[in-house]
Amino acid sequence: EDQVTQSPEALRLQEGESSSLNCSYTVSGLRGLFWYRQDPGKGPEFLFTLYSAGEEKEKERLKATLTKKESFLHITAPKPEDSATYLCAVPTQAGTALIFGKGTTLSVSS
Amino acid sequence: SAVISQKPSRDICQRGTSLTIQCQVDSQVTMMFWYRQQPGQSLTLIATANQGSEATYESGFVIDKFPISRPNLTFSTLTVSNMSPEDSSIYLCSVGGYGGGGYTFGSGTRLTVV
Repeated sequence: EDQVTQSPEALRLQEGESSSLNCSYTVSGLRGLFWYRQDPGKGPEFLFTLYSAGEEKEKERLKATLTKKESFLHITAPKPEDSATYLCAVPTQAGTALIFGKGTTLSVSS
Repeated sequence: SAVISQKPSRDICQRGTSLTIQCQVDSQVTMMFWYRQQPGQSLTLIATANQGSEATYESGFVIDKFPISRPNLTFSTLTVSNMSPEDSSIYLCSVGGYGGGGYTFGSGTRLTVV
């Protein structure tokens, strides 16, 4: 059964304190790994899609990387506005919808 | 990427009643997806809705409880029937797929059953 596990569940950082979020996956043939940001009371907002091991993508203070077993979301010099829940997901075996991890809730204080 | 309008944004309902959630997309899409996000949990796929055919439900979800309509390529509804407090969740619709824009989500419907 395809599975996505995220760690840690919660992460508290000081502004400027860089860190990484982990997403490990067990799938029968990776067809992509998705990262989303979700703010309270809102739907998930798309950040990145990674397709193959070694691939990296960046957006502002965020960089996502992918290996054969896991993905990392690196946050460099975070700001309070980066506080949110970060979700990773992989496509279902049918290749249509997504299976989500439980997310990492990031809190950045100034 | 597509823009989704989902409503209502929130509702408080009595147990035993039903609520219909609407999703309108600004472009034609083949598949629309409905998810549930229970308090403190991540998103779980309820069903996939294709225009012109019956929705495909995931394990643990049944059509009698969550009937779905897909009358055209830009619109879908999800009904939560005979509600109980355990149905209190956020319900989200989604469209999209692979490619630069990924999957797009509506803003969600926060349902509280009392």
